[in-house]
Amino acid sequence: DIQMTQSPSSLSASVGDRVTITCRASQSISSYLNWYQQKPGKAPKVLIYGASNLQSGVPSRFSGSGSGTDFTLTISSLQPEDFATYYCQQSYNTPRTFGQGTKLEMK
Amino acid sequence: QVQLVQSGAEVKKPGASVKVSCKTSGYTFSSYVMHWVRQAPGQGLEWMGWINAGNGKTKYSQKFQGRVTITRDTSATTAYMELNSLTSEDTAVYYCARLGQQLVQDYYYYYMDVWGKGTTVTVSS
Repeated sequence: DIQMTQSPSSLSASVGDRVTITCRASQSISSYLNWYQQKPGKAPKVLIYGASNLQSGVPSRFSGSGSGTDFTLTISSLQPEDFATYYCQQSYNTPRTFGQGTKLEMK
Repeated sequence: QVQLVQSGAEVKKPGASVKVSCKTSGYTFSSYVMHWVRQAPGQGLEWMGWINAGNGKTKYSQKFQGRVTITRDTSATTAYMELNSLTSEDTAVYYCARLGQQLVQDYYYYYMDVWGKGTTVTVSS
């Protein structure tokens, strides 16, 4: 199975900050990497697919980059509604594995 | 609009089985794959398996192999996930999620684009 490791596990930031979350795969997954946002009590919501493609309706302050084993999710200017938990997920093969999550908290 | 409506919360005793449904609307059910993902309290997301709603083929996580069965009823446009031999470790929110796809520069990318709201399954004696 492909292991997905996110860092950091938690992060404190302020509105307006630029934030970067990293995801590393245990083997190359090309660009088959998705990012999801989850708020408490809600289902996850896709932000980025194919490592760098913004899902329709997602604000442009979210961006993704990377290929192979190393990926990043960047929020260019944090908004109050962005405080949530973020997960990466590989869609290269089965089982579809997720990172352990990064909880983004308000400083 | 596309909707996935899951069945209500369940409370089960250890050793029992649970069957969660995911009623879909707003799209052609048989044209998509449906995933099932669970989330234990305070934990991350765990992939369980999927079903091709068109041909009924399934793929399961090794962790749940032999204990999980995913089925679908095309006439009802509904997917189901049944988990047997429940233990307290199976207490979780169970989500169904449609697999979407996008073609980008000759490559298809797949991602879970629409999710149900989740079904809470509690296993307790």
